[in-house]
Amino acid sequence: DQQVKQNSPSLSVQEGRISILNCDYTNSMFDYFLWYKKYPAEGPTFLISISSIKDKNEDGRFTVFLNKSAKHLSLHIVPSQPGDSAVYFCAARIINAGGTSYGKLTFGQGTILTVHP
Amino acid sequence: DAGVTQSPTHLIKTRGQQVTLRCSPKSGHDTVSWYQQALGQGPQFIFQYYEEEERQRGNFPDRFSGHQFPNYSSELNVNALLLGDSALYLCASSFITDEQFFGPGTRLTVL
Repeated sequence: DQQVKQNSPSLSVQEGRISILNCDYTNSMFDYFLWYKKYPAEGPTFLISISSIKDKNEDGRFTVFLNKSAKHLSLHIVPSQPGDSAVYFCAARIINAGGTSYGKLTFGQGTILTVHP
Repeated sequence: DAGVTQSPTHLIKTRGQQVTLRCSPKSGHDTVSWYQQALGQGPQFIFQYYEEEERQRGNFPDRFSGHQFPNYSSELNVNALLLGDSALYLCASSFITDEQFFGPGTRLTVL
């Protein structure tokens, strides 16, 4: 059961344009969402996150939007740069029955972003 | 400040063997989580250690076990290796439930 899905395996964008990466989830108990970037031979690097009580979070060129009713989030990169070329993972954290969270992350399959000069 | 470190970088084993992977968390972090990333997939949660105890576990068989030491470092052990255990094994550390920092991973190949 894939609770976090990234339906686009790859995305190709021209330098300077906007990159939009999408992610859908099915579990309404997720309370926190994160985006990670991964280069080959390196571990995932945290990029940006958003709490379920918000609908937007911005950090420089990166903005994450959350639509809880649609169970959908997206990552916008503006402007895109060749150095942004990497695999992007969407991840979600769940609230336990007691209202706590131990930080277990559920990841999507990833989207390969290629930014062409 | 050293980030999360993992050893070894690469490992080749044969079916039925046992393997131990090691992880040192980022300074100040007390929680270690292990993930398995198969080719073309996202990381899958194996388990998490906090205060030297397994606090949460994903859908992995008992062949996968772990340990956390008093200095917060951790080991992942896999017994009776199967071909399907070939993957990148990632360790992530955090302080309580804050953002998780990942190590570069150990690439395990089972022949």
